[in-house]
Amino acid sequence: ILNVEQSPQSLHVQEGDSTNFTCSFPSSNFYALHWYRWETAKSPEALFVMTLNGDEKKKGRISATLNTKEGYSYLYIKGSQPEDSATYLCAREPNSGYALNFGKGTSLLVTP
Amino acid sequence: KAGVTQTPRYLIKTRGQQVTLSCSPISGHRSVSWYQQTPGQGLQFLFEYFSETQRNKGNFPGRFSGRQFSNSRSEMNVSTLELGDSALYLCASSRTSGPTDTQYFGPGTRLTVL
Repeated sequence: ILNVEQSPQSLHVQEGDSTNFTCSFPSSNFYALHWYRWETAKSPEALFVMTLNGDEKKKGRISATLNTKEGYSYLYIKGSQPEDSATYLCAREPNSGYALNFGKGTSLLVTP
Repeated sequence: KAGVTQTPRYLIKTRGQQVTLSCSPISGHRSVSWYQQTPGQGLQFLFEYFSETQRNKGNFPGRFSGRQFSNSRSEMNVSTLELGDSALYLCASSRTSGPTDTQYFGPGTRLTVL
């Protein structure tokens, strides 16, 4: 994998459903993996930063895991709510500098 | 605490012109990064400044430049605008320039080049 890739590109779930997205990234020269949530008409908001293989982070109903050996991270949302509707971005931070390499995001729509 | 602010929020220019965008970071933050988002693309890193020094630069032509002032405010300049420069430009600030430091994003400047 040369770039940061996110799947699926978009997702539509019903309120109460649990869902997950994938972020795949080059595992070489890896330092950290960032997750952001970007709601329409707002600024991207930081969710998690993970560095170690096997890291798991949790914030309310949202959690994330990291596998640096195979180069992927999962973001889970338990019991989706309409206010979870947003684009979820992941970004790889290389150990050669501070520039974040972003994926194109997963757009989540949660309907009541 | 005030968030990251960007001015102007919207801008319309014509090809060949130049433009300057401004970013005021969160008070106490010394690092400012700039990103470009075009339709269908993820956020593309432009450059990062820390204590008035450019620390990192993305893969953009020399028409894109920036600077940072002693109060950490940053400006980004694009000269000889092209249609493809139409994009949302975001800046983000962080306390330091260290790895894993959380970046806080501004609302962006929407630039349209006609």
